[in-house]
Amino acid sequence: DTGVSQNPRHKITKRGQNVTFRCDPISEHNRLYWYRQTLGQGPEFLTYFQNEAQLEKSRLLSDRFSAERPKGSFSTLEIQRTEQGDSAMYLCASSRQGPEQYFGPGTRLTVT
Amino acid sequence: RKEVEQDPGPFNVPEGATVAFNCTYSNSASQSFFWYRQDCRKEPKLLMSVYSSGNEDGRFTAQLNRASQYISLLIRDSKLSDSATYLCVALDNYGQNFVFGPGTRLSVLP
Repeated sequence: DTGVSQNPRHKITKRGQNVTFRCDPISEHNRLYWYRQTLGQGPEFLTYFQNEAQLEKSRLLSDRFSAERPKGSFSTLEIQRTEQGDSAMYLCASSRQGPEQYFGPGTRLTVT
Repeated sequence: RKEVEQDPGPFNVPEGATVAFNCTYSNSASQSFFWYRQDCRKEPKLLMSVYSSGNEDGRFTAQLNRASQYISLLIRDSKLSDSATYLCVALDNYGQNFVFGPGTRLSVLP
């Protein structure tokens, strides 16, 4: 399967704990995006990388959130000191030069 | 006001019906537009891009009206498999910021 992959698919954590998610984009896709989606809403943009450079970061992304793409391939999204409001589906998408994005299956986070 | 708004759903239509969704966007700098489809508990998938002249892909037709800042999606001869949430997306002129609407849920009934 050469699509976008995300790990883990599900994560249950206690409030206050740190979590890290990984996204492996489609090979040779230089653009990578992170989104958050809650029930009944469309995906909300969090951040965007072109190769290893983080070019855009949403106001939604508080200081507790950090994303990296160190070698321009896979990316990680870390949430520190999780809160119940962080419970959501975290989606990663990648694209090449064109605007069409390909989404991964997402990581569902539940904060108890 | 949200940047991208869509018709509230759900739309429940019989098989074979024609259904239309509307979407409005507030950022006049938006340059590109898309419709994505999202099945329950699945990731969004690109359905079609929306061009200024309008475009058609089989039973699906997308239209863009820049003056009124709205986009439409028409589905003809709906199939049971068309049941999904349809997401309208606007992309800013820098090509970086994708703004998704909340989606409109469609249920095609036998």
